[in-house]
Amino acid sequence: DGGITQSPKYLFRKEGQNVTLSCEQNLNHDAMYWYRQDPGQGLRLIYYSQIVNDFQKGDIAEGYSVSREKKESFPLTVTSAQKNPTAFYLCASSTGHVNTEAFFGQGTRLTVV
Amino acid sequence: AQSVTQLDSQVPVFEEAPVELRCNYSSSVSVYLFWYVQYPNQGLQLLLKYLSGSTLVKGINGFEAEFNKSQTSFHLRKPSVHISDTAEYFCAVSRPSGSARQLTFGSGTQLTVLP
Repeated sequence: DGGITQSPKYLFRKEGQNVTLSCEQNLNHDAMYWYRQDPGQGLRLIYYSQIVNDFQKGDIAEGYSVSREKKESFPLTVTSAQKNPTAFYLCASSTGHVNTEAFFGQGTRLTVV
Repeated sequence: AQSVTQLDSQVPVFEEAPVELRCNYSSSVSVYLFWYVQYPNQGLQLLLKYLSGSTLVKGINGFEAEFNKSQTSFHLRKPSVHISDTAEYFCAVSRPSGSARQLTFGSGTQLTVLP
Protein backbone atom coordinates (compact mmCIF):
# COMPACT_ATOMS: atom_id res chain seq x y z
CA ASP A 1 0.00 0.00 0.00
CA GLY A 2 1.21 3.49 -0.81
CA GLY A 3 1.63 5.93 2.01
CA ILE A 4 3.84 7.83 4.38
CA THR A 5 5.66 6.16 7.24
CA GLN A 6 6.94 8.08 10.23
CA SER A 7 9.10 6.50 12.86
CA PRO A 8 9.27 6.19 15.74
CA LYS A 9 5.72 6.86 16.96
CA TYR A 10 6.98 7.97 20.38
CA LEU A 11 10.39 9.44 21.12
CA PHE A 12 11.99 10.64 24.31
CA ARG A 13 15.00 12.93 24.34
CA LYS A 14 17.17 14.33 27.06
CA GLU A 15 17.77 18.05 27.10
CA GLY A 16 20.79 19.02 25.03
CA GLN A 17 20.58 16.05 22.67
CA ASN A 18 19.87 16.09 18.96
CA VAL A 19 17.29 13.63 17.67
CA THR A 20 16.23 12.65 14.14
CA LEU A 21 12.68 11.83 13.08
CA SER A 22 12.24 9.61 10.06
CA CYS A 23 9.77 10.16 7.21
CA GLU A 24 9.52 7.87 4.19
CA GLN A 25 6.96 7.93 1.36
CA ASN A 26 6.30 5.58 -1.53
CA LEU A 27 3.75 7.77 -3.31
CA ASN A 28 6.29 9.10 -5.79
CA HIS A 29 5.52 12.61 -4.57
CA ASP A 30 7.92 15.44 -5.32
CA ALA A 31 7.03 17.65 -2.36
CA MET A 32 7.45 16.81 1.30
CA TYR A 33 6.74 18.81 4.44
CA TRP A 34 7.31 18.80 8.18
CA TYR A 35 4.73 20.31 10.52
CA ARG A 36 4.71 20.82 14.24
CA GLN A 37 1.43 20.51 16.12
CA ASP A 38 0.83 21.99 19.57
CA PRO A 39 -2.54 22.01 21.36
CA GLY A 40 -4.76 24.84 20.17
CA GLN A 41 -2.29 26.08 17.57
CA GLY A 42 -3.05 23.95 14.56
CA LEU A 43 -0.18 22.93 12.31
CA ARG A 44 2.86 25.11 11.75
CA LEU A 45 5.24 24.52 8.86
CA ILE A 46 8.85 23.79 9.85
CA TYR A 47 10.51 22.92 6.52
CA TYR A 48 9.40 21.86 3.08
CA SER A 49 11.06 20.42 0.02
CA GLN A 50 9.78 20.67 -3.54
CA ILE A 51 12.42 18.43 -5.08
CA VAL A 52 15.40 16.28 -4.20
CA ASN A 53 18.42 18.19 -2.86
CA ASP A 54 16.37 21.31 -2.27
CA PHE A 55 14.49 22.48 0.81
CA GLN A 56 13.16 25.72 2.23
CA LYS A 57 12.48 27.06 5.70
CA GLY A 58 8.91 27.29 6.83
CA ASP A 59 7.47 29.50 9.53
CA ILE A 60 9.26 27.97 12.54
CA ALA A 61 12.55 26.53 11.22
CA GLU A 62 14.80 27.71 14.06
CA GLY A 63 16.31 24.78 15.96
CA TYR A 64 15.50 22.27 13.21
CA SER A 65 17.38 20.89 10.21
CA VAL A 66 16.42 18.63 7.29
CA SER A 67 17.92 16.86 4.30
CA ARG A 68 16.44 15.57 1.05
CA GLU A 69 18.97 13.25 -0.50
CA LYS A 70 16.35 10.87 -1.87
CA LYS A 71 12.89 11.49 -3.24
CA GLU A 72 11.40 9.02 -0.75
CA SER A 73 12.98 10.36 2.41
CA PHE A 74 12.83 13.65 4.32
CA PRO A 75 14.31 13.26 7.83
CA LEU A 76 13.95 16.03 10.41
CA THR A 77 16.59 16.67 13.07
CA VAL A 78 15.53 18.46 16.22
CA THR A 79 18.66 20.09 17.55
CA SER A 80 19.56 21.21 21.04
CA ALA A 81 18.97 24.77 19.85
CA GLN A 82 15.22 24.14 19.75
CA LYS A 83 14.07 25.57 23.09
CA ASN A 84 10.74 23.84 23.37
CA PRO A 85 10.83 20.66 21.28
CA THR A 86 8.10 18.68 23.03
CA ALA A 87 5.33 18.40 20.42
CA PHE A 88 3.61 16.18 17.88
CA TYR A 89 5.45 16.19 14.55
CA LEU A 90 3.71 15.42 11.28
CA CYS A 91 5.29 14.67 7.94
CA ALA A 92 3.33 15.09 4.72
CA SER A 93 3.82 14.77 1.01
CA SER A 94 2.07 15.94 -2.13
CA THR A 95 2.56 16.10 -5.86
CA GLY A 96 3.50 19.74 -5.37
CA HIS A 97 0.60 20.98 -7.45
CA VAL A 98 -1.53 23.40 -5.45
CA ASN A 99 -4.83 21.75 -6.35
CA THR A 100 -3.90 18.40 -4.83
CA GLU A 101 -4.09 17.54 -1.18
CA ALA A 102 -1.29 16.62 1.16
CA PHE A 103 -1.06 13.09 2.52
CA PHE A 104 0.04 12.76 6.13
CA GLY A 105 1.97 10.24 8.16
CA GLN A 106 0.79 9.03 11.55
CA GLY A 107 3.04 11.42 13.43
CA THR A 108 5.83 11.22 15.99
CA ARG A 109 5.29 12.44 19.53
CA LEU A 110 8.53 13.84 20.89
CA THR A 111 8.94 14.40 24.60
CA VAL A 112 11.95 16.04 26.23
CA VAL A 113 12.74 14.56 29.62
CA ALA B 1 -0.78 36.46 2.80
CA GLN B 2 -3.61 34.09 3.57
CA SER B 3 -5.02 33.08 6.93
CA VAL B 4 -7.68 30.74 8.26
CA THR B 5 -9.89 31.22 11.30
CA GLN B 6 -11.84 28.39 12.86
CA LEU B 7 -14.34 30.13 15.03
CA ASP B 8 -14.96 27.37 17.57
CA SER B 9 -12.21 25.48 19.35
CA GLN B 10 -14.64 22.99 20.93
CA VAL B 11 -18.01 21.77 19.66
CA PRO B 12 -19.94 19.27 21.77
CA VAL B 13 -23.01 17.74 20.17
CA PHE B 14 -25.32 14.84 20.91
CA GLU B 15 -25.35 11.76 18.73
CA GLU B 16 -27.67 11.97 15.69
CA ALA B 17 -27.86 15.77 15.96
CA PRO B 18 -26.67 18.01 13.10
CA VAL B 19 -23.38 19.87 13.37
CA GLU B 20 -21.70 22.81 11.67
CA LEU B 21 -18.00 23.60 12.07
CA ARG B 22 -17.18 27.11 10.98
CA CYS B 23 -14.22 28.24 8.91
CA ASN B 24 -13.43 31.70 7.57
CA TYR B 25 -10.44 32.64 5.47
CA SER B 26 -8.77 35.79 4.29
CA SER B 27 -6.89 36.11 1.06
CA SER B 28 -6.41 38.78 -1.57
CA VAL B 29 -6.59 36.15 -4.32
CA SER B 30 -8.78 33.16 -5.04
CA VAL B 31 -8.01 30.06 -3.04
CA TYR B 32 -8.49 26.34 -2.80
CA LEU B 33 -10.11 25.10 0.42
CA PHE B 34 -9.76 21.84 2.32
CA TRP B 35 -11.15 20.14 5.40
CA TYR B 36 -9.06 17.50 7.17
CA VAL B 37 -9.94 15.23 10.11
CA GLN B 38 -7.51 14.01 12.77
CA TYR B 39 -8.29 11.15 15.15
CA PRO B 40 -6.29 10.98 18.42
CA ASN B 41 -2.57 10.38 17.89
CA GLN B 42 -3.05 10.01 14.15
CA GLY B 43 -2.14 11.97 11.06
CA LEU B 44 -4.60 14.08 9.09
CA GLN B 45 -7.01 12.63 6.55
CA LEU B 46 -8.70 14.62 3.80
CA LEU B 47 -12.48 14.96 4.20
CA LEU B 48 -13.19 17.14 1.18
CA LYS B 49 -11.84 19.94 -0.96
CA TYR B 50 -13.12 22.86 -3.02
CA LEU B 51 -11.20 23.81 -6.14
CA SER B 52 -13.85 25.32 -8.42
CA GLY B 53 -17.35 24.74 -9.75
CA SER B 54 -20.27 23.88 -7.50
CA THR B 55 -20.05 25.63 -4.17
CA LEU B 56 -21.49 22.63 -2.32
CA VAL B 57 -18.87 19.96 -1.88
CA LYS B 58 -19.56 16.46 -0.61
CA GLY B 59 -16.89 14.47 1.18
CA ILE B 60 -16.36 11.22 2.97
CA ASN B 61 -18.29 10.00 6.02
CA GLY B 62 -21.39 12.04 5.12
CA PHE B 63 -19.75 15.44 5.52
CA GLU B 64 -20.31 18.36 3.17
CA ALA B 65 -19.13 21.95 3.00
CA GLU B 66 -20.32 25.07 1.27
CA PHE B 67 -18.02 27.67 -0.21
CA ASN B 68 -19.33 31.21 0.18
CA LYS B 69 -17.09 33.68 -1.62
CA SER B 70 -18.90 36.81 -0.44
CA GLN B 71 -18.57 35.77 3.20
CA THR B 72 -15.15 34.12 2.68
CA SER B 73 -16.40 31.05 4.49
CA PHE B 74 -16.18 27.28 4.05
CA HIS B 75 -18.29 25.76 6.82
CA LEU B 76 -18.39 22.00 7.32
CA ARG B 77 -21.71 20.29 8.01
CA LYS B 78 -23.15 16.88 8.78
CA PRO B 79 -26.89 16.29 9.21
CA SER B 80 -26.53 13.51 11.79
CA VAL B 81 -23.34 12.77 13.69
CA HIS B 82 -22.09 9.50 15.16
CA ILE B 83 -19.88 8.79 18.14
CA SER B 84 -17.14 7.83 15.66
CA ASP B 85 -17.09 11.40 14.31
CA THR B 86 -15.39 12.54 17.52
CA ALA B 87 -12.10 14.00 16.30
CA GLU B 88 -10.32 17.25 15.57
CA TYR B 89 -11.16 18.99 12.32
CA PHE B 90 -8.88 21.37 10.45
CA CYS B 91 -9.74 23.83 7.72
CA ALA B 92 -6.93 24.70 5.31
CA VAL B 93 -6.43 27.06 2.39
CA SER B 94 -4.00 27.18 -0.49
CA ARG B 95 -3.38 29.58 -3.31
CA PRO B 96 -3.78 28.54 -6.95
CA SER B 97 -0.28 29.79 -7.67
CA GLY B 98 2.96 29.69 -5.82
CA SER B 99 5.31 27.13 -4.41
CA ALA B 100 4.72 23.83 -2.68
CA ARG B 101 4.31 25.49 0.73
CA GLN B 102 0.73 26.04 -0.16
CA LEU B 103 -1.31 24.94 2.84
CA THR B 104 -2.23 27.26 5.68
CA PHE B 105 -4.14 25.55 8.49
CA GLY B 106 -6.63 26.85 10.99
CA SER B 107 -6.15 26.12 14.69
CA GLY B 108 -8.61 23.24 14.64
CA THR B 109 -12.05 22.44 16.09
CA GLN B 110 -12.48 19.54 18.50
CA LEU B 111 -15.81 17.85 17.78
CA THR B 112 -17.06 15.70 20.63
CA VAL B 113 -20.14 13.58 20.01
CA LEU B 114 -22.00 12.71 23.19
CA PRO B 115 -24.21 9.61 23.62
